Parts: sequence; C-alpha cells; structure tokens
Amino acid sequence: QLVLTQSPSASASLGASVKLTCTLSSGHSSYAIAWHQQQPEKGPRYLMNLNSDGSHRKGDGIPDRFSGSSSGAERYLTISSLQSEDEADYYCQTWGTGIPVFGGGTKLTVL
Amino acid sequence: EVQLVEFGGGLVQPGRSLRLSCAASGFTFDDYAMHWVRQAPGRGLEWVSGVSWNSGSIDYADSVKGRFTISRDNAKNSLYLQMNSLRAEDTALYYCAKDSYSSSWFYFDYWGRGTLVTVSS
Repeated sequence: QLVLTQSPSASASLGASVKLTCTLSSGHSSYAIAWHQQQPEKGPRYLMNLNSDGSHRKGDGIPDRFSGSSSGAERYLTISSLQSEDEADYYCQTWGTGIPVFGGGTKLTVL
Repeated sequence: EVQLVEFGGGLVQPGRSLRLSCAASGFTFDDYAMHWVRQAPGRGLEWVSGVSWNSGSIDYADSVKGRFTISRDNAKNSLYLQMNSLRAEDTALYYCAKDSYSSSWFYFDYWGRGTLVTVSS
C-alpha cells in the first residue's frame, strides 16, 4: 500500500532555512510527488512536482526560495530565507498507483 | 488567471443529500481532469473523487463510493459532486482541484478556496 509519511511539525527561525521530508513507503521509492502549501484559513497552493532524480517544476509565481530534492524514497522541500508567510501546513501528494494520495502534512512554525 | 470557485455547501441532516458545484475559469476546462478533495476540521487533505476530461474515467475514495457521484459539464466549465446518504464523518471543507493532466491522475496544480459541508442533526 502506497503511504506518504511526513513529520507532524517543524520549526525554524525567521531568515533561516528548513528542509521538510516526505517519505514514500517501501516499494514505491521511484515515485514522483507534488508539494502543496496551505496557509492558515486558505485553500492549498501547488508549489512544485518533484521527481525521483530531484528534478522539479514549480508552480506559477512560486519564489526561488522554494526548492526540491530527492534521495532514495525521500522527497524534500527546502525553504530558504524563511518569511512569516511561510508559516503553513505543507502536504506531499503522489499518484503513482493511480489513486491520489496525500501525506499527513507538516505544520511549519516560523519562530 | 486560473480560478476555481466552489459553492453549494451548507448544513444538512444525516441521511440527506447535497450537491456541490465548482465554476472554473482561466484555462481550457475540457483539457484537464478535475477532482474533489476534502479536509475535515483540524485534519489533513483527503482525495474524494476525480473525473477525466471527457468523463471517461471516474474514481472514488472507498469512503464515499456508492454515495457520491462526480460529474462535469464542459460546456459550462463546471464540476459537480452529488453527495447522498450523508454522514457526520462527511463534515469537511470540500475543495475543487485541477489536475495537471487530462485522462489520468497526476498532481493538482490549482485549487479552489473550498465550500464547507456540515452534516449534523
């Protein structure tokens, strides 16, 4: 069964960098994913899709501060120069087995 | 500019029905698959249903199969979700989402702001 695992929470200081992780379940380490951001009281926003080789394609208007990378079954979202508006929930999503699946989300707090 | 606007949510009693709509603009609607995704209060995102560009492929989450029906009207640039036999656990914010592809499911590249469905007596 395809499962995406994310840490429930993360925190980092204003102006610093943070790396969020999404882990694909065993047997699915080659799958691509997408990252979505959900700011408080707003609908989700697509950030990027990320392939197993680390190549990624960002959505419209997504700042260069957001980048993606991959290693094995792990998919990363790195946010540099953290700003207050980056405080949000971040979800990974995949579609490899035909049915869209979401990770449980990571709540990012900007200190 | 891509816009997805959901409406039709509200308070409904258990066992009753509700129909959600999503009005799309800013892109060629009939070139893409579309989805409904929901978020229960304080919870994460849950995919509900998807429909391909021509309605030839339709899928549902097990939690709604047999009770919900997704449809689209390409002439009206609209997506729908007919929800029957509603349960308390269907209470959620329902989002309309655009797929990045036409005939099978990939990543969602645009989202609406959601419409709230509350199932309670």
